[in-house]
Amino acid sequence: KAGVTQTPRYLIKTRGQQVTLSCSPISGHRSVSWYQQTPGQGLQFLFEYFSETQRNKGNFPGRFSGRQFSNSRSEMNVSTLELGDSALYLCASSLLATTYNEQFFGPGTRLTVL
Amino acid sequence: AQTVTQSQPEMSVQEAETVTLSCTYDTSESDYYLFWYKQPPSRQMILVIRQEAYKQQNATENRFSVNFQKAAKSFSLKISDSQLGDAAMYFCAYRSRDSNTGKLIFGQGTTLQVKP
Repeated sequence: KAGVTQTPRYLIKTRGQQVTLSCSPISGHRSVSWYQQTPGQGLQFLFEYFSETQRNKGNFPGRFSGRQFSNSRSEMNVSTLELGDSALYLCASSLLATTYNEQFFGPGTRLTVL
Repeated sequence: AQTVTQSQPEMSVQEAETVTLSCTYDTSESDYYLFWYKQPPSRQMILVIRQEAYKQQNATENRFSVNFQKAAKSFSLKISDSQLGDAAMYFCAYRSRDSNTGKLIFGQGTTLQVKP
């Protein structure tokens, strides 16, 4: 069974632009979560989706948004990019949204904002 | 709000020896899950071991075991017979069981170096 895939793997943008990152969960998984990883702030939770509904959201500005499609694939969007948005963005999927279900992480998208 | 603290930014161990990574957490909840994740240089986060707070028995997965002290809110990871492939960043993470969410709260991570 294929793992979680994230595209693109690397991305370079300039300040003020917007970006869309994609995450395809493991087949059959219905829950997708997003995390931002930076050297200074570590791993921080962005949001979580289950069956196309956002179930939980972290403390990020409104420039960060996401959605989930009927096939469970998820996208996150960052508008008006800032230098501080440079980070590794990780996506994780799980079978259900219950807390016991193991989350499987993708390889991440490395975003660099110049 | 829950917090997770890893006080050791870096650790090193000789191959075949044992190392213990520390983690403390703060929560007012009585039931929750604790995890150790490994992130090698490839950046793919991998689950190492999981502990359910209501279980007193410490979890074990092959060479990996935890020392879970609920009253002290401590959750350390012991790696026995360390191998070169164990070199990675290790994250301790907390997940609430009461609220119906998959949100993980991570510590800052510990970079483990394994010396041949």
